[in-house]
Amino acid sequence: ETGVTQTPRHLVMGMTNKKSLKCEQHLGHNAMYWYKQSAKKPLELMFVYNFKEQTENNSVPSRFSPECPNSSHLFLHLHTLQPEDSALYLCASSQDQGAGLDTQYFGPGTRLTVL
Amino acid sequence: LAKTTQPISMDSYEGQEVNITCSHNNIATNDYITWYQQFPSQGPRFIIQGYKTKVTNEVASLFIPADRKSSTLSLPRVSLSDTAVYYCLVGSDSNYQLIWGAGTKLIIKP
Repeated sequence: ETGVTQTPRHLVMGMTNKKSLKCEQHLGHNAMYWYKQSAKKPLELMFVYNFKEQTENNSVPSRFSPECPNSSHLFLHLHTLQPEDSALYLCASSQDQGAGLDTQYFGPGTRLTVL
Repeated sequence: LAKTTQPISMDSYEGQEVNITCSHNNIATNDYITWYQQFPSQGPRFIIQGYKTKVTNEVASLFIPADRKSSTLSLPRVSLSDTAVYYCLVGSDSNYQLIWGAGTKLIIKP
């Protein structure tokens, strides 16, 4: 148990569906992250929120839309996804001393399959 | 931008010392090196972090040469439970430029 929870753990959706991934951290951290993890590829940082403000958006397609209503919750809204978006989506949080210096605490991930 | 390169896989045996090396030729002055461990169906978990020379904690050691273009994670006396994927991460202390390696799948045999 890392103090970061993600729901759902598994999600299957069609290309025309709209769904949302949820992440919650119980660690009192100020920074939260969304990552995409595909097989045999490096983790891809998608979005970073620092004190609820988005600080990074690494050229992520607009069909992925993040939302951070407070420093404990992070959402990833999904719409009109493509099959190549199938992956494990990981949420992480950190205290925010500078991302390279922070220890990131990861949730277990949501395994997404787009049909 | 720094790129990290690590072996795809490694095998070893229980009780042995395992060394996994990560190459990061373009590492910047403000970059730190961090290693994470990931088990199936879990997110990565922090192992160790360093900037230069040697760092040791209760589970691992991290060796970083003077030029910082590579780093070596050392796991002493591994057990079957150390079978996992190990990731090298290079990241700045002042922004969110995070460069992850593709991971090294370590398999420990009895």
